[in-house]
Amino acid sequence: SQELEQSPQSLIVQEGKNLTINCTSSKTLYGLYWYKQKYGEGLIFLMMLQKGGEEKSHEKITAKLDEKKQQSSLHITASQPSHAGIYLCGADDSGGSNYKLTFGKGTLLTVNP
Amino acid sequence: GAVVSQHPSRVICKSGTSVKIECRSLDFQATTMFWYRQFPKQSLMLMATSNEGSKATYEQGVEKDKFLINHASLTLSTLTVTSAHPEDSSFYICSARWLAGGPLFFGPGTRLTVL
Repeated sequence: SQELEQSPQSLIVQEGKNLTINCTSSKTLYGLYWYKQKYGEGLIFLMMLQKGGEEKSHEKITAKLDEKKQQSSLHITASQPSHAGIYLCGADDSGGSNYKLTFGKGTLLTVNP
Repeated sequence: GAVVSQHPSRVICKSGTSVKIECRSLDFQATTMFWYRQFPKQSLMLMATSNEGSKATYEQGVEKDKFLINHASLTLSTLTVTSAHPEDSSFYICSARWLAGGPLFFGPGTRLTVL
């Protein structure tokens, strides 16, 4: 099955700083999903990437999928305390049929005011 | 749209009892729902796929007699943890896909504590 490696495991930044979280797969990604989770709560969907080289942005968050479709990055510009949480990447584990998702271990982001 | 709810949000039970967790898609129909489990500081582990009108599909290592799944309607799936033990204490989250080819939307999760 798919294995997703996220880096870093945790990240502490000062408010206003930019940051990047990476997600690397051992196999070709048919669909890559980014979610945010607050401790003890459900996951909030951020973005979905499916095509090699695809890039999507929402407010101050940008996600990219590389051409080989094995690595994705999530970039936050001018971070705010509201960005704090656990960021999880998930991948379609079904060879493209958009069936079930496998997740990385997450990146814990702390933003200090 | 694409709201998934879970009930209860928290449950504490004694060892040996059974606990039922409900997962509902509030504004869409879901023929397939997914149940995940999350331990502290760990990622989500897929437990099973709940299929409306048919048997659930369990991931390797998940006991189907221990974690009973019923998906009786297009908007409701239930997970029953039978004869719960302290090692079953965890955070259980369900999810469903609103559109074919779209992302999974997750419920708020259920924190189960077995004493």
